[in-house]
Amino acid sequence: EAGVAQSPRYKIIEKRQSVAFWCNPISGHATLYWYQQILGQGPKLLIQFQNNGVVDDSQLPKDRFSAERLKGVDSTLKIQPAKLEDSAVYLCASSSGRGMGRETQYFGPGTRLLVL
Amino acid sequence: KQEVTQIPAALSVPEGENLVLNCSFTDSAIYNLQWFRQDPGKGLTSLLLIQSSQREQTSGRLNASLDKSSGRSTLYIAASQPGDSATYLCAVKGSSWGKLQFGAGTQVVVTP
Repeated sequence: EAGVAQSPRYKIIEKRQSVAFWCNPISGHATLYWYQQILGQGPKLLIQFQNNGVVDDSQLPKDRFSAERLKGVDSTLKIQPAKLEDSAVYLCASSSGRGMGRETQYFGPGTRLLVL
Repeated sequence: KQEVTQIPAALSVPEGENLVLNCSFTDSAIYNLQWFRQDPGKGLTSLLLIQSSQREQTSGRLNASLDKSSGRSTLYIAASQPGDSATYLCAVKGSSWGKLQFGAGTQVVVTP
């Protein structure tokens, strides 16, 4: 079974530029998550999708971050414009969505973003 | 607001020694607690999940305990090996639909 795929793996941009990350979840997984992990901290949930609907985006800085999951499969997270404090690893995860909150989340390898 | 703390931030042990990793949380009204492992440059891997009604979970050399009333969980790794070197994170969920709240993790190095 293929895991969660993410691209690119690394990205370096200058502040005020825009950047996009892509995630392809495990086939058949209804729930998709985007996390931000700043160095030395645990991951923080940015947005959670159930199929192509948003379940939780309470911690997404909506003035600069946006995410979509068209057709309920793969997803894109965008930052526009980027700030220095956006430097972090962006992790995508997926789960079956059928475990009543007990199901395992499977994580991708992440995209490491450096904003200069 | 739930706060999850993991102390120490880093730990080094010789091979063969048992590892004890601590996790504390401020709000005891949790739905479940999970332990994850993170290797450098890789995503997280789920190790153990304990529902709020359970006291412990075991998988091979790993055992996790949960004491909701005191807001604590402990992950025990028996007979540590160099391959156990990684960062271990705990995360709590407040409800079945809630988000995972992560601690900052404990970085473990097992020396041969």
